[in-house]
Amino acid sequence: GQNIDQPTEMTATEGAIVQINCTYQTSGFNGLFWYQQHAGEAPTFLSYNVLDGLEEKGRFSSFLSRSKGYSYLLLKELQMKDSASYLCAVRVGDDKIIFGKGTRLHILP
Amino acid sequence: GAVVSQHPSWVICKSGTSVKIECRSLDFQATTMFWYRQFPKQSLMLMATSNEGSKATYEQGVEKDKFLINHASLTLSTLTVTSAHPEDSSFYICSAREGGGGYTFGSGTRLTVV
Repeated sequence: GQNIDQPTEMTATEGAIVQINCTYQTSGFNGLFWYQQHAGEAPTFLSYNVLDGLEEKGRFSSFLSRSKGYSYLLLKELQMKDSASYLCAVRVGDDKIIFGKGTRLHILP
Repeated sequence: GAVVSQHPSWVICKSGTSVKIECRSLDFQATTMFWYRQFPKQSLMLMATSNEGSKATYEQGVEKDKFLINHASLTLSTLTVTSAHPEDSSFYICSAREGGGGYTFGSGTRLTVV
């Protein structure tokens, strides 16, 4: 079966740093995505990791360890607009993406 | 960048009727399209994968006779919810992929069945 775990909710303060963890156990692995989703909107792409290590893109960084089945998304210098759900998703096989349940991030002023 | 247009953005229908949702890739050829369903405060659940010109592959537990998917061209896929019931009320999102490229999501359709 496919299992992708991430915390349901997190709270952080504006200007701070937050790390959202994701662990996965899937049949097949061809990469891991992080998406941001605001309520009632489609997900927007943040990052894609296929090799172990850290990928940095502005305020957002994503890390992957394939041997541990583990990834995290790091958000720096948090802004109020970062309040959203963050979805960890694994590409299995050639095409299919399976999503975790998402982490709702609340930013406090 | 790649754009996927999804229509309608919201629809209200009566119980027992059918609703069609369209997903178009505007500037690329979508060889594969995916349909997801998302209930409030839940994540996206993959319903089916469709390749142009062939039958869709449905995920376990998704009724293929209730959720009809047609991917007749490289730029258009449709999802028809047949004999809709209130429990089908959800947010439906499509995603399209061009060959070995990235995944582009549509803007979603909020379906309410009354």
